[in-house]
Amino acid sequence: SQKIEQNSEALNIQEGKTATLTCNYTNYSPAYLQWYRQDPGRGPVFLLLIRENEKEKRKERLKVTFDTTLKQSLFHITASQPADSATYLCALRVINNNDMRFGAGTRLTVKP
Amino acid sequence: KAGVTQTPRYLIKTRGQQVTLSCSPISGHRSVSWYQQTPGQGLQFLFEYFSETQRNKGNFPGRFSGRQFSNSRSEMNVSTLELGDSALYLCASSTTGVGNTIYFGEGSWLTVV
Repeated sequence: SQKIEQNSEALNIQEGKTATLTCNYTNYSPAYLQWYRQDPGRGPVFLLLIRENEKEKRKERLKVTFDTTLKQSLFHITASQPADSATYLCALRVINNNDMRFGAGTRLTVKP
Repeated sequence: KAGVTQTPRYLIKTRGQQVTLSCSPISGHRSVSWYQQTPGQGLQFLFEYFSETQRNKGNFPGRFSGRQFSNSRSEMNVSTLELGDSALYLCASSTTGVGNTIYFGEGSWLTVV
């Protein structure tokens, strides 16, 4: 069956450290993968998109990698801040399909 | 420009009733998709509309339906509400819906009692 799994429900790190979140998928052939941030009671906000033929994308303190052989994406936040505390969702758009499939999310807490 | 607008933000309905939720996409966006978010199931895709046509549909019962108007605004309807339909319903819009960023609204919180 098709699955999108994010490594853990919750991740706690100290301010200034790098947060690394994992997204693994099975039985999908994604055209691209996206990462979103969601704050409590709010809709998800788009952060980064990476296509199947790209290995890495960066945006300010954010970095995403995409390994289609391992069927895995890693999402990094460097120099993390308490304001980065939120739930982070990965989502796949599969080839020839117009819907997005989301992982359950990882709740990141950055402690001062 | 204005973001995706969803109304109402909060509503309470009784089991067996029906509900209609509305979504106004970002100006110029022709694709509108709907998602249900619950603590147990996460974000699940309901359906997507593009130019008034349903392009794709998730695994939800026929009680869940939607439509899109010529101005790209969309509505979703849930009939014969069940307690398990209590959720945050999110609408998202994009320019073409394929390969482009989707922008979410703040959602409509539905509680079924």
